Amino acid sequence: DTAVSQTPKYLVTQMGNDKSIKCEQNLGHDTMYWYKQDSKKFLKIMFSYNNKELIINETVPNRFSPKSPDKAHLNLHINSLELGDSAVYFCASSQDYSLAGTSTDTQYFGPGTRLTVL
Amino acid sequence: AQKITQTQPGMFVQEKEAVTLDCTYDTSDQSYGLFWYKQPSSGEMIFLIYQGSYDEQNATEGRYSLNFQKARKSANLVISASQLGDSAMYFCAMREPYASNTGNQFYFGTGTSLTVIP
Repeated sequence: DTAVSQTPKYLVTQMGNDKSIKCEQNLGHDTMYWYKQDSKKFLKIMFSYNNKELIINETVPNRFSPKSPDKAHLNLHINSLELGDSAVYFCASSQDYSLAGTSTDTQYFGPGTRLTVL
Repeated sequence: AQKITQTQPGMFVQEKEAVTLDCTYDTSDQSYGLFWYKQPSSGEMIFLIYQGSYDEQNATEGRYSLNFQKARKSANLVISASQLGDSAMYFCAMREPYASNTGNQFYFGTGTSLTVIP
C-alpha cells in the first residue's frame, strides 16, 4: 500500500491552463506539505497544512491554491500556468508540525508529479 | 545564511567501500531534527535516517549511519559497503520548531550526487 500517493505522475499542459494535482496519505498523519523541486534539484516548501488548516504559506504566487478537504488529502490547484511553473511537485506528510527534535518530524514523500508547461 | 550546507555537489565511491556525505547546519534552536533523504534517478524521495538534537547516540539504519557532531553543527551521512543501487542524489534536511514569524521550518540542502563505481 502506498503511504503517500500523488496523481498524476506526469502532467503536460499549455501555458495559461488551469490544472490540479491530488495528494493522499494513508499514514494517519496530521500534517501535509507541498514542495517544488526545480531543474537544479533544489527543494522548496510551498505550503503546509495541519488538520486541514494552513500553517505555512511561503512566498508563492497566488495562482497556486492548496485545498485540504480532510487531513488525509491535500490538493494543489494552479491557475494560469506559466513556463516557470515547470518542475517536479512533491507532496509529503508528517505526524505533526509543532514539535521538533522528535522522530515524528519525519516527512514522507509522495512519488512526485512532473509538470511541464509548454 | 544557509540553513543546510552540502559542500560536495558530486562524489564517487568504489563499490563495497564506505563513503561520507557532508552536511552542516545552522540553527539557534535547541530542539531540532536532522534527516537524510535519497533521490534515485527515478525521482522519488526516500527517507533514510533521522537524528534528533537531543539524541546522544548517532543514529544508524542498516548500512546508513549519521555522524552527529552537535558542537560542530554537522550531520554527515556514512554509507558503508556501497552498492551500485546507492547511486543517487542525497539530501540533508533540518526541522526547526514552528515559529509564527518564520513559518517555514523544514530546510533542505542542495544535495550531493553519489556515483558508485563497479
